[in-house]
Amino acid sequence: GAVVSQHPSRVICKSGTSVKIECRSLDFQATTMFWYRQFPKQSLMLMATSNEGSKATYEQGVEKDKFLINHASLTLSTLTVTSAHPEDSSFYICSASAGVGEAFFGQGTRLTVV
Amino acid sequence: DAKTTQPTSMDCAEGRAANLPCNHSTISGNEYVYWYRQIHSQGPQYIIHGLKNNETNEMASLIITEDRKSSTLILPHATLRDTAVYYCIVVEDMRFGAGTRLTVKP
Repeated sequence: GAVVSQHPSRVICKSGTSVKIECRSLDFQATTMFWYRQFPKQSLMLMATSNEGSKATYEQGVEKDKFLINHASLTLSTLTVTSAHPEDSSFYICSASAGVGEAFFGQGTRLTVV
Repeated sequence: DAKTTQPTSMDCAEGRAANLPCNHSTISGNEYVYWYRQIHSQGPQYIIHGLKNNETNEMASLIITEDRKSSTLILPHATLRDTAVYYCIVVEDMRFGAGTRLTVKP
């Protein structure tokens, strides 16, 4: 099946710094990528949807200047958490889609802000 | 809000079939139903998907009602390793509901 690679799997950063998370589709071209955040014992919350070459569409309540999403190619999307604070500590997951009817998930990135 | 609703939790005896229901009454004609499961601290694992017809693969079967307003995921012989949170999502929507926490008991 299709593979989506997410990197890093774990990251610890200091409060006030920025962290970049990469999401790559390894064997297909992802026209659309989705970014989620998941807090302990909760479901995945959709943060934003990005289409290659265009600006991301953010869900209500998600700060676009805080969570910068870039989808510059058909195989790579990045999520940058800017000026991270402890409340940004969470499990971040990406999903990639090549079109209608298919979506594949990365293994997630656990971010801890200290 | 997610387009799907599922029971919060279910138990199943090891070796028996687990039937997990999902309601998606507002699904539109070209939207697929996908099922994933998530084991603690991992990304969602794909299980199966369908549009109109029932589907079966090595992991599970998916039964979709004729009106497409609901579906049921069937794990034919549940094992302890099937304990997880199971999510059904409508792929165009890509929003997750709370999912069903399935506990398989010995």
